[in-house]
Amino acid sequence: LAKTTQPISMDSYEGQEVNITCSHNNIATNDYITWYQQFPSQGPRFIIQGYKTKVTNEVASLFIPADRKSSTLSLPRVSLSDTAVYYCLVGDIGNTGFQKLVFGTGTRLLVSP
Amino acid sequence: DVKVTQSSRYLVKRTGEKVFLECVQDMDHENMFWYRQDPGLGLRLIYFSYDVKMKEKGDIPEGYSVSREKKERFSLILESASTNQTSMYLCASSPSYGWGEVGYTFGSGTRLTVV
Repeated sequence: LAKTTQPISMDSYEGQEVNITCSHNNIATNDYITWYQQFPSQGPRFIIQGYKTKVTNEVASLFIPADRKSSTLSLPRVSLSDTAVYYCLVGDIGNTGFQKLVFGTGTRLLVSP
Repeated sequence: DVKVTQSSRYLVKRTGEKVFLECVQDMDHENMFWYRQDPGLGLRLIYFSYDVKMKEKGDIPEGYSVSREKKERFSLILESASTNQTSMYLCASSPSYGWGEVGYTFGSGTRLTVV
């Protein structure tokens, strides 16, 4: 499984756009990039997943360059409720069979008023 | 709209006790997982199961066992609880194929304290 590297923590203010970058130099051809969000005292929650270029949903955008060795999670106009830990994961999404997810330590985002 | 339910939110047990953590999912998922989460260490996989009665060791299986007698239920067993097993335990489930579209679904966790 490809190893990921992301910042330990980030700080932001309400209303700002936050970009969290994840490095995954050893990503394999079949691997997808997935991001999870975890609030205190809760289990992680799936946010977004992509393979290349850009993916957008109602929560976030995911930017993946052509070489796929990194990816950036973009949270538009964050609010206090976006304070959480964000995990970047890389792996096969299950189209070729079972694969377990390996979580790193994530990025702790703190949004202040 | 609860999909993955863990039987206890908080649990306090004594050293040496046998502890059962229960997890039930209502999404008919084939795969189920047990993670533990500790400060500074992130989530670490203990055991997983991809079918009834099937189980596989994760990264830190020592001191734990699991049971999956029914598709919807996955139990984590601490054979003889020790203080270093004090942690947050998270259960998750996923379908066999195409889980990328929906990801894993996690429970709310069980915070276990062993005294």
